[in-house]
Amino acid sequence: EDQVTQSPEALRLQEGESSSLNCSYTVSGLRGLFWYRQDPGKGPEFLFTLYSAGEEKEKERLKATLTKKESFLHITAPKPEDSATYLCAVQARAGNQFYFGTGTSLTVIP
Amino acid sequence: GAVVSQHPSWVICKSGTSVKIECRSLDFQATTMFWYRQFPKQSLMLMATSNEGSKATYEQGVEKDKFLINHASLTLSTLTVTSAHPEDSSFYICSARAPTGYRTEAFFGQGTRLTVV
Repeated sequence: EDQVTQSPEALRLQEGESSSLNCSYTVSGLRGLFWYRQDPGKGPEFLFTLYSAGEEKEKERLKATLTKKESFLHITAPKPEDSATYLCAVQARAGNQFYFGTGTSLTVIP
Repeated sequence: GAVVSQHPSWVICKSGTSVKIECRSLDFQATTMFWYRQFPKQSLMLMATSNEGSKATYEQGVEKDKFLINHASLTLSTLTVTSAHPEDSSFYICSARAPTGYRTEAFFGQGTRLTVV
């Protein structure tokens, strides 16, 4: 069964304190792994797609990496405006569905 | 990134009435759209997948007669909550998939907060 597990559930960081969010997945043939950011009361905002193990993507203070079993979202020197829930999703080669994790709620304290 | 517009962003309706939510892909053609429901502090729960011109595929436990989905064109899908009850109050989010070659990202609308009183 296709499954996505994110950890930790919640993370509090001081401004400038770098850390990583984890997304572990099991899927029968990975088509893509996706990272989204969701602010309260808003729809998820697309951040990255990773397609194969070893791939990395970067955007400002965020860097996403992928292995055959998990993905990490590294946050370097975070700022308060990076506070949000970060969602990970996978899509299998067979079918259209996106399987979402439960998210990591990140709070960056000034 | 691609833009998906969802309307309305919030709606309050009386119990027993129906509510329609629209999801439009503004700058791309979406062959597949997804409808999700999200409870507070929880992740997205897939309700149904709709492909343009065909019937939606509903997830187990989702009543297709209560949540009517129409995907009439490549840029528009609608979700109608029929005979709404307070337990239908939730945050509903649509997403549209924009396959370009092998790319397959899904882009989300802003969400609709439905409150049934």
